[in-house]
Amino acid sequence: AQSVTQLGSHVSVSEGALVLLRCNYSSSVPPYLFWYVQYPNQGLQLLLKYTSAATLVKGINGFEAEFKKSETSFHLTKPSAHMSDAAEYFCAVSEGTGNQFYFGTGTSLTVIP
Amino acid sequence: DGGITQSPKYLFRKEGQNVTLSCEQNLNHDAMYWYRQDPGQGLRLIYYSQIVNDFQKGDIAEGYSVSREKKESFPLTVTSAQKNPTAFYLCASLGRVNSNQPQHFGDGTRLSIL
Repeated sequence: AQSVTQLGSHVSVSEGALVLLRCNYSSSVPPYLFWYVQYPNQGLQLLLKYTSAATLVKGINGFEAEFKKSETSFHLTKPSAHMSDAAEYFCAVSEGTGNQFYFGTGTSLTVIP
Repeated sequence: DGGITQSPKYLFRKEGQNVTLSCEQNLNHDAMYWYRQDPGQGLRLIYYSQIVNDFQKGDIAEGYSVSREKKESFPLTVTSAQKNPTAFYLCASLGRVNSNQPQHFGDGTRLSIL
């Protein structure tokens, strides 16, 4: 079975600082990888996805992620944090067969003014 | 605009009562899912359905039931057998199984015990 690990359940950064949220996965086949953002009392919104094209993926709101097969990682970054980035972030994996998705436990991002 | 509509947004359950959460999608997606979200635990799969009139148990199906009579609709019933139903429930859909497509989510229903 797949597993997804998000290191750090809470991350705090200063406004304007680099955002780095970590995601590692276990998969015996090349996976499809996704990052979602969740604001309070709302559903999950897709930030970006990796589907075996370019390893550096750009998403919405200035976020990007890099797929590193050798490290089984798909870390999310943003060069400069905004107050509006404060939210919960989830990494998800799908093998593309069957239809199950596997989610990490989430990272809560706080942006300090 | 296409999307997933969950209702109600907030729901309260009395002891011994069954309650039903609604999920409707107009994306013409094949598959639909129900997740339960508790603080610090991420999303846990309750049930999913790939086609009409067929559904499968997820990791935490006990105390829940679903139906898929129409492609657009996938209601979830939280039965009295679910002893700890307080949580945020999310419905999702997927355009096509066995693909690289992402899941799309509704805005959730928060269920609490009276």
